[in-house]
Amino acid sequence: DIQMTQSPSSLSASVGDRVTITCRASQGISNYVAWFQQKPGKAPKSLIYGASSLQSGVPSKFSGSGSGTDFTLTISSLQPEDFATYYCQQYIDYPLTFGQGTRLEIK
Amino acid sequence: EVQLVESGGGLVQPGGSLRLSCAASGFTFSRYWMIWVRQAPGKGLEWVANIKQDGSQRIYADSVKGRFTISRDNAKNSLYLQMNSLRAEDTAVYYCTRGVMHDYWGQGTLVTVSS
Repeated sequence: DIQMTQSPSSLSASVGDRVTITCRASQGISNYVAWFQQKPGKAPKSLIYGASSLQSGVPSKFSGSGSGTDFTLTISSLQPEDFATYYCQQYIDYPLTFGQGTRLEIK
Repeated sequence: EVQLVESGGGLVQPGGSLRLSCAASGFTFSRYWMIWVRQAPGKGLEWVANIKQDGSQRIYADSVKGRFTISRDNAKNSLYLQMNSLRAEDTAVYYCTRGVMHDYWGQGTLVTVSS
């Protein structure tokens, strides 16, 4: 199975900050990575697919990059609504696997 | 507008069965792989099962293989998950999602396995 390891597990930041979340795959997965945002009590929301393509309707403050084993999600100019938990996921092979999540909190 | 609406969750005893449904609208259901993903209370996301557009291919996580069955009815725009021999560790919110990139998610339905 392909393991997806996110870092950090939690992150404190202030409104207006720029933050980066990292996801490392246990083997090369080309660009078959998606990123999701989840707020408490809500379903996850798709942000990015193909490592760097923004889903329709997602603001450009979100960006993704990477290929192979190392991937990043960057959020610029944090706003109160961006504080949530973020997950990466690989979809190149079964079982589909998610990272453990990164909780982004307000400092 | 794409909508996925799950139903069928509830409280069930260990060893029991439950059937989840997901009603899809706002897109051509028969053109997409459909997927179930679950999330145990306070935990991360776990992929459960996939089904191909025509139902000819079904793929399961090892944790549910042999106990859960994914199916679909394209005429009714509906996805199903038959869950048998339920265990306490199956307790979770179950989401249906569209495609392997999960571009749309339902609101989820809670399954609680407890005596």
